[in-house]
Amino acid sequence: GQQVMQIPQYQHVQEGEDFTTYCNSSTTLSNIQWYKQRPGGHPVFLIQLVKSGEVKKQKRLTFQFGEAKKNSSLHITATQTTDVGTYFCAGRSGGGADGLTFGKGTHLIIQP
Amino acid sequence: DGGITQSPKYLFRKEGQNVTLSCEQNLNHDAMYWYRQDPGQGLRLIYYSQIVNDFQKGDIAEGYSVSREKKESFPLTVTSAQKNPTAFYLCASSSTGDQPQHFGDGTRLSIL
Repeated sequence: GQQVMQIPQYQHVQEGEDFTTYCNSSTTLSNIQWYKQRPGGHPVFLIQLVKSGEVKKQKRLTFQFGEAKKNSSLHITATQTTDVGTYFCAGRSGGGADGLTFGKGTHLIIQP
Repeated sequence: DGGITQSPKYLFRKEGQNVTLSCEQNLNHDAMYWYRQDPGQGLRLIYYSQIVNDFQKGDIAEGYSVSREKKESFPLTVTSAQKNPTAFYLCASSSTGDQPQHFGDGTRLSIL
């Protein structure tokens, strides 16, 4: 079945440093979604990427979808303490009839 | 997220007992999902439903059952056949199968 791998599993950064998490799928994806889960909370949708090579920005967050639609990345510039949490990518290889496959997430820990 | 209610927040199960987790949404979404999250892990799909009176097994359906008799409700039963049920259970919904998912606050299930 479809597998979505995400690295790194944990990332410690000093406040103000940049952060990147990478997501790789074993199959070509129709779209990829990114979610953030704060400690003790539930996942919250951040963004969806659909097109090959697509790049989207949300303030300090930059999301990319690979040309082959098998990988994606999330980059945070100048991290802040509010960025703490786990970032998940989730991909779908079908045409909407299948559920999402989530990566295991990257836990972002920020040291002030 | 507003619009999806999971109950109870905490649940304890005795050996050999079936328990049912409730999930209700008032977002008028067609699709609903159940995920299991273990500590430090990603989300694994248990069951999903694209439409009333229809549902599909996810990656880890063994030991679980669901029903979708109403659009707004998607209860999950953890049966005695599920030998390791201790986990955080998350319900989600989306307008259609390929749209972003909105999550409830989750139910933490433990074994007595």
